[in-house]
Amino acid sequence: DAKTTQPNSMESNEEEPVHLPCNHSTISGTDYIHWYRQLPSQGPEYVIHGLTSNVNNRMASLAIAEDRKSSTLILHRATLRDAAVYYCIIQGAQKLVFGQGTRLTINP
Amino acid sequence: GAVVSQHPSWVICKSGTSVKIECRSLDFQATTMFWYRQFPKQSLMLMATSNEGSKATYEQGVEKDKFLINHASLTLSTLTVTSAHPEDSSFYICSATKEHLNTEAFFGQGTRLTVV
Repeated sequence: DAKTTQPNSMESNEEEPVHLPCNHSTISGTDYIHWYRQLPSQGPEYVIHGLTSNVNNRMASLAIAEDRKSSTLILHRATLRDAAVYYCIIQGAQKLVFGQGTRLTINP
Repeated sequence: GAVVSQHPSWVICKSGTSVKIECRSLDFQATTMFWYRQFPKQSLMLMATSNEGSKATYEQGVEKDKFLINHASLTLSTLTVTSAHPEDSSFYICSATKEHLNTEAFFGQGTRLTVV
């Protein structure tokens, strides 16, 4: 499984955009990039996923570098409920293997 | 969205006893279910992958005789922690996928196991 590198923590202010980076330099051509987030004492929640093109949904946007070795999860207008640990996962071998993730703190 | 339900949400058991955790996909058929374990302030660690009607595939270092996984139907998988010890105390989480992993995975709310 391709390894991911994310900052341990990030901080942002409420109602501002947040850009969460992820490096995955060993990604294979057919591997999908997934993002999940986890609130305290809960199971992870799906955020978004993509292969090559940028993706948008109601929760976030996913910007994928042209060489696919990095990606950025964009929360357009952070709220306090977006405070969570965000995991960038490269799906391989039909399973999701979690890295350490980024703990996002949102300041009111 | 699809719902995955785990039961119980929390359980306390005595050392040496066995505990069974259920994972159900409520509104879809899950071809594959996954079991994870998470210690405080750590990430999720994949324990095993189970497919309906076949034996689970365990990750390296996970004892298959201690963590028994049964996936008897397309909507139910169970994890039994046998002869539990305090070091097995953890947050256990299951997830399920509808078809293949190029779509989203759905996670249960987790089960907090405390062994005393």
